[in-house]
This record gives sequence, C-alpha cells and structure tokens, in this order.
Amino acid sequence: GENVEQHPSTLSVQEGDSAVIKCTYSDSASNYFPWYKQELGKRPQLIIDIRSNVGEKKDQRIAVTLNKTAKHFSLHITETQPEDSAVYFCAVSDSWGKLQFGAGTQVVVTP
Amino acid sequence: DGGITQSPKYLFRKEGQNVTLSCEQNLNHDAMYWYRQDPGQGLRLIYYSQIVNDFQKGDIAEGYSVSREKKESFPLTVTSAQKNPKSLYLCASSQPHRASNEKLFFGSGTQLSVL
Repeated sequence: GENVEQHPSTLSVQEGDSAVIKCTYSDSASNYFPWYKQELGKRPQLIIDIRSNVGEKKDQRIAVTLNKTAKHFSLHITETQPEDSAVYFCAVSDSWGKLQFGAGTQVVVTP
Repeated sequence: DGGITQSPKYLFRKEGQNVTLSCEQNLNHDAMYWYRQDPGQGLRLIYYSQIVNDFQKGDIAEGYSVSREKKESFPLTVTSAQKNPKSLYLCASSQPHRASNEKLFFGSGTQLSVL
C-alpha cells in the first residue's frame, strides 16, 4: 500500500520567515496530493491541493510543489504569521482512491 | 459549523463496553469516512463508504464496525476489542468526481476515552 512520510515533525519559525514541509510517497500511480491544516482544537481543513499533471500551485502565501519523478511534494508558507501556527498534514491518494495521510507537522510561528 | 455533525464531543467507555459514535452530513455527499487521530501518527482510515448500503475496511478496521443505511448518516461502533485508551475520531465526507479525489470535509471530532 501507499506509504507517506512527512518531515519535519515539528517546525519553529520566526514571524515573517518561510516554512517548508516535505512529504514523500511510494506509489507512482498516485495522482492527488492535498494539504490539510488543523488548528488547535479544530477540525482539519483543506488549504491547497495539487494533481499530478501540475508541478506547482500557489495561493497567496502558500504554495505546493510536486516532483513526480522523485515522488515527493512540499508545502511552502512564505511571510509566516502567528495564525499559521497549526498542525499540517500532507495526504496522497492511493491506487484505490483513498487518502493516506502523513504523520503531521506541528508549525509554531514565534513573534 | 454546518456540513458534518459529530456527537458526542466527548465520550467515555468502560472496558468491555461497546459505544457508537454518530456522524451526520447535510452536504449530499456520496462518500463518508471515519479516521482515527493519535499523536504523532496522523490520520488513519478506519472505514469508508462510497455509497449507501456499501462500506469498506480501511487500514485499522479491527475492533470497529459501521453501517450506511442512509446517505446522510455513517455511525461508527467501537467494540470492546478496541484497546486504544484515548483517541480522537474524525468523520469526513466528500463528493467523488469520476475517478478523481475531491476535498474532504471533516466533522469536529469525538474524543473517546476508556475508563
């Protein structure tokens, strides 16, 4: 089955700096790669996603890049703000169309 | 917080006791899912249903059962065989488009603890 690894598990950044989270996956047939953000005590919410026919997607301060050859994709947050503090999960659709999630990255943005 | 409603928010069960977690959605989505969230392990799929009266096991189905008698409801029963002391259970739904995956909408979760 699909194996999704996410790094780092925790990330502390100064406000205004950039944050990068990386995920690798094993199934080359995977074609959908979403990122979810979970603030403390709240439900996960989709923040950005990318499909395998695209190499990069950007939405304001967040962007996702995909390298299908190397089977990894990354979330980039620029000009971090305190409200970016949360747990971020990457996910990959497996060959059955189900999402496999990474273990999560706790991002802390310090003023 | 419309869309997906989970109840109760907190639930305690005694060892040997079965409990049922409720999940209702008013999004008219065909697919529904149950995930378990444990610290450091992300979200792991317990069961999913892509259509009424049909459901499939996920990665950690042992000790759980589900039913999908109505499109809007997907209750999860945690049996006494499930030994995890404390976990957050998240229900989700989506509207699959052809063979592609679409956005998951999550409920606010049920925190289940074993006394």
